Amino acid sequence: GAVVSQHPSWVICKSGTSVKIECRSLDFQATTMFWYRQFPKQSLMLMATSNEGSKATYEQGVEKDKFLINHASLTLSTLTVTSAHPEDSSFYICSARVRGRSYNEQFFGPGTRLTVL
Amino acid sequence: AQSVTQPDIHITVSEGASLELRCNYSYGATPYLFWYVQSPGQGLQLLLKYFSGDTLVQGIKGFEAEFKRSQSSFNLRKPSVHWSDAAEYFCAVADRDDKIIFGKGTRLHILP
Repeated sequence: GAVVSQHPSWVICKSGTSVKIECRSLDFQATTMFWYRQFPKQSLMLMATSNEGSKATYEQGVEKDKFLINHASLTLSTLTVTSAHPEDSSFYICSARVRGRSYNEQFFGPGTRLTVL
Repeated sequence: AQSVTQPDIHITVSEGASLELRCNYSYGATPYLFWYVQSPGQGLQLLLKYFSGDTLVQGIKGFEAEFKRSQSSFNLRKPSVHWSDAAEYFCAVADRDDKIIFGKGTRLHILP
């Protein structure tokens, strides 16, 4: 149980285009999902917290107009990188918090490799 | 603000040798602590976690970690490593807002 999937697993796009990444909790409901970014050989940096039915909360320094997050249901959150540029190339990982748990436990997706040409 | 320090960027051990990866955290209250492993190009796999109770935590793949409040540490150990343990290891701390803060990671190399 507690499986999180991401789609696509990798994507290559041209500069200036927008890319949507999906994060799904397959066998549980997730009231909260998190989006992380990981540059090569670096750690994961939290970008935003996504709560079902409300606006995402972005970390300092993350452009909310560039990284659009939608959490329309208890099993799906999407991250759209708008007008992507080469510096947006990165590994994007989502995680989902299990609803009803009394403690913080997040389950991570396998990640999406974005390459912007 | 909470933070996690992994002082070793790279660690190399021989197969069959014991392993200890260091982790220090900074957090005002009792933290939620985690160790994750990441293979190249892959997502994160949870090895173990500490929320409360017994300070020696057993995880998957033969790993264990010990929470030491006095030292603000949560070091990861394994008595005998296998070549398949070569990966990146992240220590992490979570606050009451559910935000997980990761350390910079330690790359583990295994010598045959």
